[in-house]
Amino acid sequence: DTEVTQTPKHLVMGMTNKKSLKCEQHMGHRAMYWYKQKAKKPPELMFVYSYEKLSINESVPSRFSPECPNSSLLNLHLHALQPEDSALYLCASSPLFGDIGYTFGSGTRLTVV
Amino acid sequence: GENVEQHPSTLSVQEGDSAVIKCTYSDSASNYFPWYKQELGKRPQLIIDIRSNVGEKKDQRIAVTLNKTAKHFSLHITETQPEDSAVYFCAANGNEKLTFGTGTRLTIIP
Repeated sequence: DTEVTQTPKHLVMGMTNKKSLKCEQHMGHRAMYWYKQKAKKPPELMFVYSYEKLSINESVPSRFSPECPNSSLLNLHLHALQPEDSALYLCASSPLFGDIGYTFGSGTRLTVV
Repeated sequence: GENVEQHPSTLSVQEGDSAVIKCTYSDSASNYFPWYKQELGKRPQLIIDIRSNVGEKKDQRIAVTLNKTAKHFSLHITETQPEDSAVYFCAANGNEKLTFGTGTRLTIIP
């Protein structure tokens, strides 16, 4: 398996909702990442997990809460989001943190209404 | 932290001609420079990458060159085809984080 799988592909949520994004990989990669991508912009790093521990939080608002339950799974819990949080959320993994060989998932298109 | 600049932001070329996209980076410790192609609504896909101990790398119609002294690297696409139309991002791994350039929208004119 050489893929990063993200679910759901699309998500519409209200500003008072709580939802979660899921990312899974079975390549044995020990680093996993969350990126946010707005239209016509490059991906922006949000969080990095290395060996299931949070290594980097790029000053992301607390309404985004990451979780790495095991080496294959990465979640992003969403609560009280704003319309400006609407974006494509991309998960990626690499063999080790800072290593080459990033693989991106197909993303979750999030719309906050 | 790392800062990656990318030019041009848009590029239109006739089918069959060559396209060149250029990037500069700021962190001299960066040693890995991938290029991604992103089609509308899809994930970024790695098309070619280069490490800092190599000056040039080629894969069929795609090549990347790296000038470590000047801190710039370029993507070259020859014999362009309509399916090359997409947004291309360069990136550098300064501070062990992958930082992306601002992207180039490449349009191939049939």
